[in-house]
Amino acid sequence: KAGVTQTPRYLIKTRGQQVTLSCSPISGHRSVSWYQQTPGQGLQFLFEYFSETQRNKGNFPGRFSGRQFSNSRSEMNVSTLELGDSALYLCASSPGASGIYEQFFGPGTRLTVL
Amino acid sequence: KQEVTQIPAALSVPEGENLVLNCSFTDSAIYNLQWFRQDPGKGLTSLLLIQSSQREQTSGRLNASLDKSSGRSTLYIAASQPGDSATYLCAVNGGNTDKLIFGTGTRLQVFP
Repeated sequence: KAGVTQTPRYLIKTRGQQVTLSCSPISGHRSVSWYQQTPGQGLQFLFEYFSETQRNKGNFPGRFSGRQFSNSRSEMNVSTLELGDSALYLCASSPGASGIYEQFFGPGTRLTVL
Repeated sequence: KQEVTQIPAALSVPEGENLVLNCSFTDSAIYNLQWFRQDPGKGLTSLLLIQSSQREQTSGRLNASLDKSSGRSTLYIAASQPGDSATYLCAVNGGNTDKLIFGTGTRLQVFP
């Protein structure tokens, strides 16, 4: 069974631009969660989508948004990029709501904002 | 607010040693706890998942225990190898937050 995939793996953007990251969960998994990892803040929860609905949200500004499609694939969008948005963005999938099930992570997208 | 702490922050040991990584959390109302491994610049690999009703889980040379009432978990690595060098993260799931809350990790180096 294929694991969680994320595209692209690397991105370089400039301040003020916007970016869209994609995550394909493990087949049959209905929940996708997104996390931001930085050296200073560690791993922080962004949001979770379950059956195309945002189920949970972390403490990030409205510039961070996401959505989930009917095939459970998810996208995350960051608008008006800031230098501090440079990070490794990880997505994780689980069979059901993330509070109960084991989560499986993708390789991440490394975003660099110049 | 759930807080997860991992001690030590870094650890360097010679090959063959048995070692223990510690994880503590402040809110004992959790569904489960996961241990992950992360290689530099890579994603997270799930090592072990312990449900709140369980006391321990084993996978190969790894053994994780959970004492929910005291808010502690340990990851025991037997006969460490250079390939075990990575950052190890614990994360608690559920309770009042209903999402994974991560510790800051323990960076492990095993030298030959």
